[in-house]
Amino acid sequence: NAGVTQTPKFQVLKTGQSMTLQCAQDMNHNSMYWYRQDPGMGLRLIYYSASEGTTDKGEVPNGYNVSRLNKREFSLRLESAAPSQTSVYFCAERDRNYGYTFGSGTRLTVV
Amino acid sequence: GQQLNQSPQSMFIQEGEDVSMNCTSSSIFNTWLWYKQDPGEGPVLLIALYKAGELTSNGRLTAQFGITRKDSFLNISASIPSDVGIYFCAGQLNTGNQFYFGTGTSLTVIP
Repeated sequence: NAGVTQTPKFQVLKTGQSMTLQCAQDMNHNSMYWYRQDPGMGLRLIYYSASEGTTDKGEVPNGYNVSRLNKREFSLRLESAAPSQTSVYFCAERDRNYGYTFGSGTRLTVV
Repeated sequence: GQQLNQSPQSMFIQEGEDVSMNCTSSSIFNTWLWYKQDPGEGPVLLIALYKAGELTSNGRLTAQFGITRKDSFLNISASIPSDVGIYFCAGQLNTGNQFYFGTGTSLTVIP
């Protein structure tokens, strides 16, 4: 099925641990995004990539890094996880003339 | 970041009733999107609006791009139990690649 695939679906980390969230899209679109969703806050943009080889900061980039490995893949890395990074993370890709297609999310808990 | 105010925050309605929700901003947007999120899933695009005054329907859903370009409205007619979820608006400024999301309206439909 066409869409956005995120892994893992769930993750528990200890404070200070690192991890990479993976995202892949099979719709051959240029733009990809990482959002976090917190209760009462809606979706907030962490980083985005307008095309392969480019990345830009969004509203809440601190504590995160990203890699646009190729047109298909866009990963989000937490180098030293903090409890404030407990959230649901969504990857999305965008059709220029349409809107975002979101993955099903990664539920991250940092203890 | 941009503030999008969605109201109401939550709604509890009887099956068969109509629903109205809105999204307002202090900034002018050139695109409005409406999404629905089911529990444990990523948001799914319902309707996209590209012109001030535009009225677009998708089945029982109708959305409007406000004339001032600072607001948008979503109506659901004859609600059914599967309408339960969180509805998000998202707006895009004239400049930049980013969409800003509202904080969501949680809808509960009582059979």
